[in-house]
Amino acid sequence: DTAVSQTPKYLVTQMGNDKSIKCEQNLGHDTMYWYKQDSKKFLKIMFSYNNKELIINETVPNRFSPKSPDKAHLNLHINSLELGDSAVYFCASSPPASGTITDTQYFGPGTRLTVL
Amino acid sequence: GDSVTQMEGPVTLSEEAFLTINCTYTATGYPSLFWYVQYPGEGLQLLLKATKADDKGSNKGFEATYRKETTSFHLEKGSVQVSDSAVYFCALTQSSNTGKLIFGQGTTLQVKP
Repeated sequence: DTAVSQTPKYLVTQMGNDKSIKCEQNLGHDTMYWYKQDSKKFLKIMFSYNNKELIINETVPNRFSPKSPDKAHLNLHINSLELGDSAVYFCASSPPASGTITDTQYFGPGTRLTVL
Repeated sequence: GDSVTQMEGPVTLSEEAFLTINCTYTATGYPSLFWYVQYPGEGLQLLLKATKADDKGSNKGFEATYRKETTSFHLEKGSVQVSDSAVYFCALTQSSNTGKLIFGQGTTLQVKP
């Protein structure tokens, strides 16, 4: 069973379109994340949800809207896609941190978004 | 703000060579430190971690020691294999428990037979 899954794996679309990427984890984790990896492989966090509540919202254009229907799912919706949105998007999840120990994040396989 | 700096890649080694990938960090307080590995076409996997000063993380022959005095977490392996070819990311997260990972820029390792 895949622990963190994302769909689709590849997404090719035109500028101006609206698209969604879905993420599901079957690990029973409380916290989920979205990261963006650019063409130089640099990874940056975008959002984090804990039990369906937004806890991290980095400086991301408001065209990006995360939605968490339940704690096992965190979807990413992108409006009015731009060329610069082309990247690989990774979903991740982690269990609740215990005390001051921050636990491991488990990553999905990524979604490669190409905006033409 | 907090940041992580890794050595520039790509790093190209012959099989059985010794590997070091340097990682230094800037952070307030006492972050936890991680090495993640990304094999071609895949997501990231945790390789090892250390949560306090002088801790040594190890896995699959890789090791890294949390050095607070030099703010470093260098990755080492005594004898690399072709299957170790991947991109390696050093990362930190703060004990504030938001879980936000701050990554270095990644170092590509290519091991030749």
